Amino acid sequence: DSGVTQTPKHLITATGQRVTLRCSPRSGDLSVYWYQQSLDQGLQFLIQYYNGEERAKGNILERFSAQQFPDLHSELNLSSLELGDSALYFCASSVGLAGNNEQFFGPGTRLTVL
Amino acid sequence: EDKVVQSPLSLVVHEGDTVTLNCSYEVTNFRSLLWYKQEKKAPTFLFMLTSSGIEKKSGRLSSILDKKELSSILNITATQTGDSAIYLCVLHRGATNKLIFGTGTLLAVQP
Repeated sequence: DSGVTQTPKHLITATGQRVTLRCSPRSGDLSVYWYQQSLDQGLQFLIQYYNGEERAKGNILERFSAQQFPDLHSELNLSSLELGDSALYFCASSVGLAGNNEQFFGPGTRLTVL
Repeated sequence: EDKVVQSPLSLVVHEGDTVTLNCSYEVTNFRSLLWYKQEKKAPTFLFMLTSSGIEKKSGRLSSILDKKELSSILNITATQTGDSAIYLCVLHRGATNKLIFGTGTLLAVQP
């Protein structure tokens, strides 16, 4: 158990809908990272927040947005969902600011778009 | 364009064998290279490499970075069935703090 929690575990929705994925980092970790893992693309870095502010951006679509709240939990919002958004979404946390700090991954949220 | 290529894509070995996994990269503003192990669920951190030629070891696993060749290898000796996993190579770009993942090497260790 990494100490990172993600909810929900599994989400099934229809195209065009909007969903919110939630992540709580390990106690004391200030950085939160979001990743998308699909079968054909592998693991893709989406975005990083550090202490409430966006720190780094990866391959995140404009339809997706994220934020980190004062209590350091983070939410990833996915809107106008498409079939291709079906994937496993991981959240990770680390103590420091730099992206190469050891990251601890949550169990993931599996999103299925029908 | 930044890219990370891992080889082989997958391999099957018997317990006790030694394996070498490769990672080649092209990235601007290299900061570090990381290795992760992903079993059924979330990846777990193995190593972070920043300097060329310095081997990092953890038990039966070791890794080394070659900045001249733009590559890294991950060695696993005396493999066990518990080593079966996807091994991910990740590049960290310093300027943008961006992480670029390879597609991974799937290792299957048979008893």
